[in-house]
Amino acid sequence: GQNIDQPTEMTATEGAIVQINCTYQTSGFNGLFWYQQHAGEAPTFLSYNVLDGLEEKGRFSSFLSRSKGYSYLLLKELQMKDSASYLCAVPTMDTGRRALTFGSGTRLQVQP
Amino acid sequence: DVKVTQSSRYLVKRTGEKVFLECVQDMDHENMFWYRQDPGLGLRLIYFSYDVKMKEKGDIPEGYSVSREKKERFSLILESASTNQTSMYLCASSVLSGDTGELFFGEGSRLTVL
Repeated sequence: GQNIDQPTEMTATEGAIVQINCTYQTSGFNGLFWYQQHAGEAPTFLSYNVLDGLEEKGRFSSFLSRSKGYSYLLLKELQMKDSASYLCAVPTMDTGRRALTFGSGTRLQVQP
Repeated sequence: DVKVTQSSRYLVKRTGEKVFLECVQDMDHENMFWYRQDPGLGLRLIYFSYDVKMKEKGDIPEGYSVSREKKERFSLILESASTNQTSMYLCASSVLSGDTGELFFGEGSRLTVL
């Protein structure tokens, strides 16, 4: 089976840095996704990591350690619009890796 | 621009009614998915399809069926709606076959069953 764990909620201050962690267990790793979902809206793709290390994309970076089954999303220079849920996901092996298995999501609240 | 369109944003139905949720994508994607999203449970896969007329069960298919008669359209059917099917339903599509690709989501359909 597959299991993904993320913290349920986090709070951070505008302008600060926040790290959202994700641990996963899966048979046969094929990459890890991060999605952002604003309240009442569709999830949108943020990043995809398949190799170990940090990938930077503007204010957002994503890190992966395959040996530890661990990833994090790093958000810098937080803005109020970053208040959203952040979903960690891995390919679902039972679907031929077509679908994604999602964590429950981390709801981030950015305060002034 | 990539577009996944779900026919209804909000629906209210009564227990026992038959419910159709429609999803259309304009990207010529092979794969299409139906998820439901509930607080504390995240997104759970109901059904997916990797080709026209092909369908595969996901994690929670009970009480649901699907139809994919055309490549761009994937419908979710609740034969007899029940209150525990009150949820947000999200349709998604992806381009790659046999491997993992980014999922593109529709805006969601919030269904309330009374």
